[in-house]
Amino acid sequence: AQKVTQAQTEISVVEKEDVTLDCVYETRDTTYYLFWYKQPPSGELVFLIRRNSFDEQNEISGRYSWNFQKSTSSFNFTITASQVVDSAVYFCALSEGTSGTYKYIFGTGTRLKVLA
Amino acid sequence: GAGVSQSPRYKVAKRGQDVALRCDPISGHVSLFWYQQALGQGPEFLTYFQNEAQLDKSGLPSDRFFAERPEGSVSTLKIQRTQQEDSAVYLCASSLMETSGLNEQFFGPGTRLTVL
Repeated sequence: AQKVTQAQTEISVVEKEDVTLDCVYETRDTTYYLFWYKQPPSGELVFLIRRNSFDEQNEISGRYSWNFQKSTSSFNFTITASQVVDSAVYFCALSEGTSGTYKYIFGTGTRLKVLA
Repeated sequence: GAGVSQSPRYKVAKRGQDVALRCDPISGHVSLFWYQQALGQGPEFLTYFQNEAQLDKSGLPSDRFFAERPEGSVSTLKIQRTQQEDSAVYLCASSLMETSGLNEQFFGPGTRLTVL
């Protein structure tokens, strides 16, 4: 069965601190895709990154970085030097072809609060 | 605008009423998804369209839920005889190609449905 676990319900940090959001997934497929989305208070999910199961290279985009480790089925997200504007709920999602639709399986989300 | 739009943004219904939620995907996007997001939870898949064909409706919680996309663009999610447990945010997402993990989904702002 497919499953995404985000064990951290809520994290609070002070501005400029680094913070890591954890994501652990379960799937039987060998080909799958992992995503991170940001959901600000406005409610719209904003795409951040996609990784496929064959590419374990870590990625950095500005203050954001992602660590994908198949050995531990994890796809963690780090924000460096956090800012108040980073405050949002962050979702990790899994997509794979078993169902034929590549629908997303979301985790329950991690609410990040960055305090000034 | 170039993004996914949804209307209405907020809907209050009395228990037993029928409601219709509209989604305008990004122009030219082949795939369209509906998700339901309960308070404090991650979105959960409801149904998927590829153009006008509804290829997966495995997530629809009951036969009171019905979705259509007759011309392969705008989609409507209809809920008949609404119940309190239907209260949630309904998210629509579209992606460029037919079902594939290679394309991220672009989400609309959602419709918040409250059933009294």
